[in-house]
Amino acid sequence: DAGVIQSPRHEVTEMGQEVTLRCKPISGHNSLFWYRQTMMRGLELLIYFNNNVPIDDSGMPEDRFSAKMPNASFSTLKIQPSEPRDSAVYFCASSLGGGGSPLHFGNGTRLTVT
Amino acid sequence: SQQGEEDPQALSIQEGENATMNCSYKTSINNLQWYRQNSGRGLVHLILIRSNEREKHSGRLRVTLDTSKKSSSLLITASRAADTASYFCATDEPSNYQLIWGAGTKLIIKP
Repeated sequence: DAGVIQSPRHEVTEMGQEVTLRCKPISGHNSLFWYRQTMMRGLELLIYFNNNVPIDDSGMPEDRFSAKMPNASFSTLKIQPSEPRDSAVYFCASSLGGGGSPLHFGNGTRLTVT
Repeated sequence: SQQGEEDPQALSIQEGENATMNCSYKTSINNLQWYRQNSGRGLVHLILIRSNEREKHSGRLRVTLDTSKKSSSLLITASRAADTASYFCATDEPSNYQLIWGAGTKLIIKP
């Protein structure tokens, strides 16, 4: 079990640039979550996929954020254009069964937008 | 949104001592989970307790749940330096897929 794999681990970019974060969930898991973590706001759910279908994207801050899950083994979170307030650690997590099932988190992508 | 509140926000104890963290929540729940987060890493699931359970053990971890008080506690016995981390509780409500997270307790184990 390789766990949830996220890339890159760190991303530093300038304001206005496009940023793409990647996630490979655990094989066989049917639910995938993107979270953002900051000191001020804690863990925030951005979007939830079930069986590759976006179920709830109400946590996506604004139209600058978009997420896709083209297949069961890959998801992306894109920010275009990026802004300094997007600086945070972005986590991908997967689970078997969704709902209140235990989540398996990746090690996150630390994004810094200057 | 954050429903759970962990208490204390930070806890510093000597290695070998027991550490107790508390979590309070506001609504009815299906389950309550505890997670650990080491610095610079993702969260790791520790234990899940269902709303009809009152106590659960896993190794050096003991979790209690009091649904009448809407609270839970996590006890780590015989703490080790490797237990230094932040600990989060998360609840899920009936008919709601989303986990509601607390702000976390930062635990420091002093050698």
